[in-house]
Amino acid sequence: GQQLNQSPQSMFIQEGEDVSMNCTSSSIFNTWLWYKQDPGEGPVLLIALYKAGELTSNGRLTAQFGITRKDSFLNISASIPSDVGIYFCAAPQTSGSRLTFGEGTQLTVNP
Amino acid sequence: GAGVSQSPSNKVTEKGKDVELRCDPISGHTALYWYRQSLGQGLEFLIYFQGNSAPDKSGLPSDRFSAERTGGSVSTLTIQRTQQEDSAVYLCASSNRRSGGELFFGEGSRLTVL
Repeated sequence: GQQLNQSPQSMFIQEGEDVSMNCTSSSIFNTWLWYKQDPGEGPVLLIALYKAGELTSNGRLTAQFGITRKDSFLNISASIPSDVGIYFCAAPQTSGSRLTFGEGTQLTVNP
Repeated sequence: GAGVSQSPSNKVTEKGKDVELRCDPISGHTALYWYRQSLGQGLEFLIYFQGNSAPDKSGLPSDRFSAERTGGSVSTLTIQRTQQEDSAVYLCASSNRRSGGELFFGEGSRLTVL
């Protein structure tokens, strides 16, 4: 199946700093999704991208759908302690039946 | 409730025993997914149900794993003769889009096999 390579695996930052993480693949996707998972919870959708080159914001979060359709990035500005968690990129397989997830980026924010 | 509901939230079992995990999707969602998340790992696809179509079972790791969805709603994931490597969080998600876009996840069932 198609794989998503997500980096970095983990980040340790100070409150107030900006964060950037990305996801790449050798395959082309028509949709990119970014999820966040809090400890003990299921992942929750943050941002959905449906068009190559699209830049979408949700509060302090900004995500972009790469023009080649093979990558996406997520930025978090002015991080706060509640940003702690695991961030996953995801994209539907071209067969349409499953959502493939990246390995996740574990974010730690020090107050 | 309004969200995806999973039970039990925690299950501890002995090696060799069978376990059943239950998922109640969001009402009206036609698609239902099971994923497995091992400690510190990403989400591993297991199985996908869409309406009355044949399920996509391509992610099931062995024939000890099976799942069914009754009446297009509730789903049960069964693991027979559990092994220690089955220990993980099993996440269920539902969606109202056929092609697998925005999934809504439950809180998961944490399985520990001793």
